[in-house]
Amino acid sequence: GAGVSQSPSNKVTEKGKDVELRCDPISGHTALYWYRQSLGQGLEFLIYFQGNSAPDKSGLPSDRFSAERTGGSVSTLTIQRTQQEDSAVYLCASSFGAGRVRKQYFGPGTRLTVT
Amino acid sequence: DAKTTQPTSMDCAEGRAANLPCNHSTISGNEYVYWYRQIHSQGPQYIIHGLKNNETNEMASLIITEDRKSSTLILPHATLRDTAVYYCIVPPDSSYKLIFGSGTRLLVRP
Repeated sequence: GAGVSQSPSNKVTEKGKDVELRCDPISGHTALYWYRQSLGQGLEFLIYFQGNSAPDKSGLPSDRFSAERTGGSVSTLTIQRTQQEDSAVYLCASSFGAGRVRKQYFGPGTRLTVT
Repeated sequence: DAKTTQPTSMDCAEGRAANLPCNHSTISGNEYVYWYRQIHSQGPQYIIHGLKNNETNEMASLIITEDRKSSTLILPHATLRDTAVYYCIVPPDSSYKLIFGSGTRLLVRP
């Protein structure tokens, strides 16, 4: 079946512009996660959704970052007034529930480059 | 969080078994051990997880010591496509997020 999809696959933007990154989770997966991976760095948790609610936004690096999820499905991560340090690969993952089993399915990521 | 320690890098010959160790000496009774891998330029991929007993699936085997303080991921017949960074993760029982450390960079040689 279809996996997690993300769009765009690559995004180049100028410093100061806003960007939106999209994630389509696996159908039926109630939990959705955003992570980011900076060049040569490990994966960093950003935010977690259970349904349309985000009980944990603790990983968002600043108030320029926001995310929403609608219909318990698609999620959008928005970065306002982008900075060069926002350049990274943004990864989305989904799972069936968010209980003990941490089997998360990851998308291919969106590579964001801020010039 | 239970801290995990993995070697920075390893290599093995194609067709041979790759044995990747992980130490998690502070693991608590209800915490599972998860293994993920990340092939270059791709998102992480779930491999296997376990609590106490050894586990096997189509991708790998997971051997957990009786005291649960360490585990070994075994790729029985490594191929070039298994070259990746392998992450051993022990999420707290009450947590849902995965905390990725530095992992082990496995290079499978022809």
